[in-house]
Order: sequence, then structure tokens, then C-alpha cells
Amino acid sequence: KNQVEQSPQSLIILEGKNCTLQCNYTVSPFSNLRWYKQDTGRGPVSLTIMTFSENTKSNGRYTATLDADTKQSSLHITASQLSDSASYICVVSAGGYNKLIFGAGTRLAVHP
Amino acid sequence: KAGVTQTPRYLIKTRGQQVTLSCSPISGHRSVSWYQQTPGQGLQFLFEYFSETQRNKGNFPGRFSGRQFSNSRSEMNVSTLELGDSALYLCASSTQDPTNTGELFFGEGSRLTVL
Repeated sequence: KNQVEQSPQSLIILEGKNCTLQCNYTVSPFSNLRWYKQDTGRGPVSLTIMTFSENTKSNGRYTATLDADTKQSSLHITASQLSDSASYICVVSAGGYNKLIFGAGTRLAVHP
Repeated sequence: KAGVTQTPRYLIKTRGQQVTLSCSPISGHRSVSWYQQTPGQGLQFLFEYFSETQRNKGNFPGRFSGRQFSNSRSEMNVSTLELGDSALYLCASSTQDPTNTGELFFGEGSRLTVL
């Protein structure tokens, strides 16, 4: 069964600290993996999209890694800011819209 | 360039009623997809339209339907509303299928509450 599992479910960190969010997937065939940031009450915003051949992709203070062998991805946030408080959703595409597998998300709270 | 616009942002309905939600994609985007987001199930794909044709459909009952107009604007309809239909309904537009690395641009969503 195609699944995407994210951990932790929620996380609280202090402003300025780094953090890493995890995404493990059992999706086949694999097309690409995406990370989205979703502020409360808003639509998701794309952070990174990675294909099978990409190991690392950065978007400002956000760096995503992908290990296609172990089927794991991580999202690293550097020097966190209060505005990073949001849900982070990992999405794996098995090919096509009806094969977009969404993780449940990690809710991050950055405290001053 | 204007983003994806969804209307209405909030609405309240009662069981048994029907609802229509609207989505205007980014100019030039021909693919519009719809998603349901609930605290328990997370994000789930509903359906996708391209050039007025439904290309893909998720695992939802026939009460959920949609259409796309010639200007790429899309509507989704939910008939005979149930309490479990309470959710944030998100629309996304794209230039291509996400099998490729096409970006999905989401709207702010329409929050539906069914009483």
C-alpha cells in the first residue's frame, strides 16, 4: 500500500534554532517528492520538488534531502524564524494526480 | 501575476443541502485539481481537469463532482451534504501533470462547515 509517514507529528523549537523533519515513504513507482509549507488557514506553498536522481535541494533556509534507496526524505530548517511556524507536508507522486500520496504533516511551532 | 482564487472562503450549510465552490486558476494554467483537507484524513485528491475534461479522479463518492469551463475556471459541487464533508477544500492549478516536476499552486481554500 502506498504510504507517506511523517515525523514528528508536532515540534516546538526556539527562534534561531535548527530543526529537521522526516518523511518515510512506501510509494511505487516513484516519480517525485515534494515538501509544502502550509500556514494555518492558508493553502500549501511549494518548498522543493525532487526527482529520483536528486539528493539535495535548497530553497533559502530550507534544505530537503532524498535517499531513494532507503525511501527517506528530510527537510532541514536553518536559523528558524517565527514565520516558520506552520505545517510541513511531504507529498510523493507515484505518477499522476490520482497517485499523489500526502503525508499527515508535521506541525512546527517556533517560539521566541 | 494573480494567484489561484477560490470563492467563497467560508460557508456554512446544513445536512442534505448542496454546495458549489469556485476556483480561478493562474492565467495560462490549464490544469485545475481539487483536494479535501480534514484533520483526520489530511489532504486527499478529489479530481483534476484539463481543457474542460476530467483527466483524473480520486476515491470519493459520486456526490462530489466538478467541471471546468473554457476559460479554465473550475467549479466543484457536493450534493446531499453530510457532516463528514466539513473540510477545507483546496484548488490547485498547474501547467502540467505532477508526474513531471510541474509546480502545483494552491489557492487559500474554501472552508465548508456542515451542521
